[in-house]
Amino acid sequence: AQSVTQLGSHVSVSEGALVLLRCNYSSSVPPYLFWYVQYPNQGLQLLLKYTSAATLVKGINGFEAEFKKSETSFHLTKPSAHMSDAAEYFCAVSNWDNQGGKLIFGQGTELSVKP
Amino acid sequence: DTGVSQDPRHKITKRGQNVTFRCDPISEHNRLYWYRQTLGQGPEFLTYFQNEAQLEKSRLLSDRFSAERPKGSFSTLEIQRTEQGDSAMYLCASSQTLQETQYFGPGTRLLVL
Repeated sequence: AQSVTQLGSHVSVSEGALVLLRCNYSSSVPPYLFWYVQYPNQGLQLLLKYTSAATLVKGINGFEAEFKKSETSFHLTKPSAHMSDAAEYFCAVSNWDNQGGKLIFGQGTELSVKP
Repeated sequence: DTGVSQDPRHKITKRGQNVTFRCDPISEHNRLYWYRQTLGQGPEFLTYFQNEAQLEKSRLLSDRFSAERPKGSFSTLEIQRTEQGDSAMYLCASSQTLQETQYFGPGTRLLVL
């Protein structure tokens, strides 16, 4: 079975500081990995996805994530936080081969950005 | 491309009542997914359709839940005899094919009193 663990339910950074949101996955088959962002009372928006091509994935709004198989990690980073980055972030894993593409989400990390 | 839409956005009901939610996927998207998100948690998979065929249902989906996608376009999720534990955000997502990105709607927030 696949699962995702997001370390830290709340992360607070200062504006301009590095953002690092941690995600570890468990999968018995090569995974496909995703980061989604959710603003209050809204649905989820895809930030980036890893689908077995380049291990360093660049997404929207300056975010990127690196797939590290040896560490079973897919941490999300952004060099300089902006106030508009404050939101809930979800890491998800999927297996297109035999899981129908359903997404398995972590519990989420709420990012706060201080002025 | 108008995005995935869901209706209603909010629903308050009394325990024991039936409720129905609607999801309109992005035009020509063959796959449609339903997820449930409770407060402070990530979304959990409920069920998905490829065209009009319902291909998988989660064990989270009790007999009180039923979903349809009659013509392979919009989908409905019905909850019968609602319980307070059904209070959650119900999210719909669609994708064009298996490998394509899932686009999410704004969700329907259900409160069962």
